[in-house]
Amino acid sequence: DTAVSQTPKYLVTQMGNDKSIKCEQNLGHDTMYWYKQDSKKFLKIMFSYNNKELIINETVPNRFSPKSPDKAHLNLHINSLELGDSAVYFCASSQISGNTDTQYFGPGTRLTVL
Amino acid sequence: KQEVTQIPAALSVPEGENLVLNCSFTDSAIYNLQWFRQDPGKGLTSLLLIQSSQREQTSGRLNASLDKSSGRSTLYIAASQPGDSATYLCAVNSNSGYALNFGKGTSLLVTP
Repeated sequence: DTAVSQTPKYLVTQMGNDKSIKCEQNLGHDTMYWYKQDSKKFLKIMFSYNNKELIINETVPNRFSPKSPDKAHLNLHINSLELGDSAVYFCASSQISGNTDTQYFGPGTRLTVL
Repeated sequence: KQEVTQIPAALSVPEGENLVLNCSFTDSAIYNLQWFRQDPGKGLTSLLLIQSSQREQTSGRLNASLDKSSGRSTLYIAASQPGDSATYLCAVNSNSGYALNFGKGTSLLVTP
């Protein structure tokens, strides 16, 4: 009964390839996020979707394209992978209601670009 | 732009000590503040969330306080245990549904 799940957990690929990371939440939340944790362990927001609509798009290269087929899923597709894309990518979700808005995180996907 | 700073960057204490982790933020107009724990190679576990209207939250041996006007939060851990060893992250939410702005974390080591 995992709340926020991501697949794959590890992804090793060559430069120039295209890859996708999938995220699913079973919490019934209406908002989902993608964060990137770099080699120095600093976490930064990439995208945020509310009810399948993009609400945050930080300065991320357009090689990164999020897709939300429904409220429970937010997938991240990356084109033409570069060495600098190597990082851990975390998906998260929250419910915008009342005054709580706790964000719940997935286990992360460690991407290594060779 | 909201900036979040955590001090110290690393901390080592013997088991049983009480300790305080500090978090400061530059823009006091926040919606809430969340403390997380991250174990090596793992995801983030939410520990406590403090609403902007609250002063503190408690969960077991953990107590988090918030002083919005001074842009500070502290996480107090009582009677520390080796199992508390992890990186503790402070994150500020400036608006409902918006992204969290994270500090760089405090790496805690509790020695037996």
